[in-house]
Amino acid sequence: KAGVTQTPRYLIKTRGQQVTLSCSPISGHRSVSWYQQTPGQGLQFLFEYFSETQRNKGNFPGRFSGRQFSNSRSEMNVSTLELGDSALYLCASTTRGGTNYGYTFGSGTRLTVV
Amino acid sequence: SQQGEEDPQALSIQEGENATMNCSYKTSINNLQWYRQNSGRGLVHLILIRSNEREKHSGRLRVTLDTSKKSSSLLITASRAADTASYFCATFPEAGAGSYQLTFGKGTKLSVIP
Repeated sequence: KAGVTQTPRYLIKTRGQQVTLSCSPISGHRSVSWYQQTPGQGLQFLFEYFSETQRNKGNFPGRFSGRQFSNSRSEMNVSTLELGDSALYLCASTTRGGTNYGYTFGSGTRLTVV
Repeated sequence: SQQGEEDPQALSIQEGENATMNCSYKTSINNLQWYRQNSGRGLVHLILIRSNEREKHSGRLRVTLDTSKKSSSLLITASRAADTASYFCATFPEAGAGSYQLTFGKGTKLSVIP
């Protein structure tokens, strides 16, 4: 079956702009999580969605937001981009939320803010 | 915030040798998972061990879990050059914690020299 698909793969944006990243989970997976990965901070949890509801949010400013659609596809948005938002953004899906199954990750979106 | 701390941060071994990575965590967990990441791409789920399990095997992988010490280890036997990657442990919180956040450590960078 198809894996987790993230689009776009690469993105270059200017400070102050906004960006929307997309994630299509594995068919049947209803839980989608987002992570930011940087060399300094490692993998930082952004949010988790299950059946269109955000169940958890990480310690990120309000400029970071997300949503999940009825088909489980998810988007995350970052407004007023800062240089420090340059990172690899990873999306992961699982069946119900990690209690018995591992997560399947997408290849990520590499965002560069200039 | 980081839950797990891997040790060592970097490990270099010869092909055919065994590689052991350790992970410590802070809070009570439902399960602990290990992931591999090649060169800044997406993470690949390797193995999941539940809090009531002490040891688990999958192919050349052996994972142990000691909940009293809040620690886990990943052993890769007969390593191959293709095992060169970063390895992360991740913890999923215990049921009832109201959290569905998979929290990662900073990872161990493994280099297997042919």
